[in-house]
Amino acid sequence: EVQLAESGGGLVQPGGSLRLSCAASGFTFSSYWMTWVRQAPGKGLEWVANIKQDGTEKYYVDSVKGRFTISRDNAKNSLYLQMNSLRAEDTAVYYCARAGYCTNTSCYYDYWGQGTLVPVSS
Amino acid sequence: DIVMTQSPDSLAVSLGERATIYCKSSQSVLYSSNNKNYLAWYQQKPGQPPKLLIYWASTRESGVPDRFSGSGSGADFTLTISSLQAEDVAVYYCQQYYSTPPTFGQGTYLEIK
Repeated sequence: EVQLAESGGGLVQPGGSLRLSCAASGFTFSSYWMTWVRQAPGKGLEWVANIKQDGTEKYYVDSVKGRFTISRDNAKNSLYLQMNSLRAEDTAVYYCARAGYCTNTSCYYDYWGQGTLVPVSS
Repeated sequence: DIVMTQSPDSLAVSLGERATIYCKSSQSVLYSSNNKNYLAWYQQKPGQPPKLLIYWASTRESGVPDRFSGSGSGADFTLTISSLQAEDVAVYYCQQYYSTPPTFGQGTYLEIK
């Protein structure tokens, strides 16, 4: 059974940093593009970042470029999101998701974790 | 970026009746080389993550009930629930994966009338 479990969320002050993790199981992690998608409270879904199977290609939404870094450790079946210089508008539930298929770098997502909440507030 | 616009924003349908949700993209998401539409639909119930329902505009994900169907091509798409069940109350999102960044519609809230 495919499982994705996010961790690392929590209250952080504006300008602060946080590192999210996603533990994957039930599939060959190293064979899939992976992504982070976020959802602000009461709002819709926003793609944040993608990473290729071997970690050599990474893509970000413009609003997080230069502040967030996606990475993965295939030996540990884990996905990460390092978030720096956090802003109030980054407040959201952050979901880790597996890509079912990708067109170059844009994918649909067939399995999702339960999400981890990141409130950014003073 | 491709903008995805769903209609309506909310919808109330009686149990057993048909529900139809529309999704329009700001440009075509049809790849001429393979004649595939790069369009997916998701269902999100309260307090849960999104669940993939349909990809390639009309291919049902494994395990999804056959009352859910997707149609359309180019820039205009439809998600239809043929006979609404109580467990179908949720927000539904369309998403294009034709180009980066992948983008979602704003969501359509479906409830029971």
